[in-house]
Amino acid sequence: DVKVTQSSRYLVKRTGEKVFLECVQDMDHENMFWYRQDPGLGLRLIYFSYDVKMKEKGDIPEGYSVSREKKERFSLILESASTNQTSMYLCASRGGNEQFFGPGTRLTVL
Amino acid sequence: GQNIDQPTEMTATEGAIVQINCTYQTSGFNGLFWYQQHAGEAPTFLSYNVLDGLEEKGRFSSFLSRSKGYSYLLLKELQMKDSASYLCAVETAGNKLTFGGGTRVLVKP
Repeated sequence: DVKVTQSSRYLVKRTGEKVFLECVQDMDHENMFWYRQDPGLGLRLIYFSYDVKMKEKGDIPEGYSVSREKKERFSLILESASTNQTSMYLCASRGGNEQFFGPGTRLTVL
Repeated sequence: GQNIDQPTEMTATEGAIVQINCTYQTSGFNGLFWYQQHAGEAPTFLSYNVLDGLEEKGRFSSFLSRSKGYSYLLLKELQMKDSASYLCAVETAGNKLTFGGGTRVLVKP
């Protein structure tokens, strides 16, 4: 079974803090994705990566950056957290025709 | 731009059938996914359609018409555990997925 894990289920941070969200997959997938999910807006793609050290902007990259130093790990970074980044963050990994999601991190920025 | 529409909410009775429609207008099209998401959980894969037609998988079926920009997910013999959100997503170049807002299905006894 493919497993996609995320470092935290719940996270509370203060405005201006630097925040790291980690995602690890165990199936040697090349493609990995970061989404945020908000009520009424659905899932929106923030960044994705085809391979180690490669990254592409998704639909809403502003205020975020990513890092892919190892194939199995894809990190999302909020350089200076703001209250409008309070959301559910979902990482996904793609193998064949299926995209597998992690359990999500619910981030609250105060 | 990408535009994917699906109804916000649907209610159905246990044992019945429900059809969730999804219409899309996207620049490029590689395929269409349906996901199920229970409250507080991650989405789980249900189906992937590339060619026109109906794909059946147990109680769930998914239909695609590329010329009409239209898909539906059919849930038969509804069970209480089918109460969840159902997400339609279109795949474009580079394995990018664009999601609709999701349809919340409530199954009543």
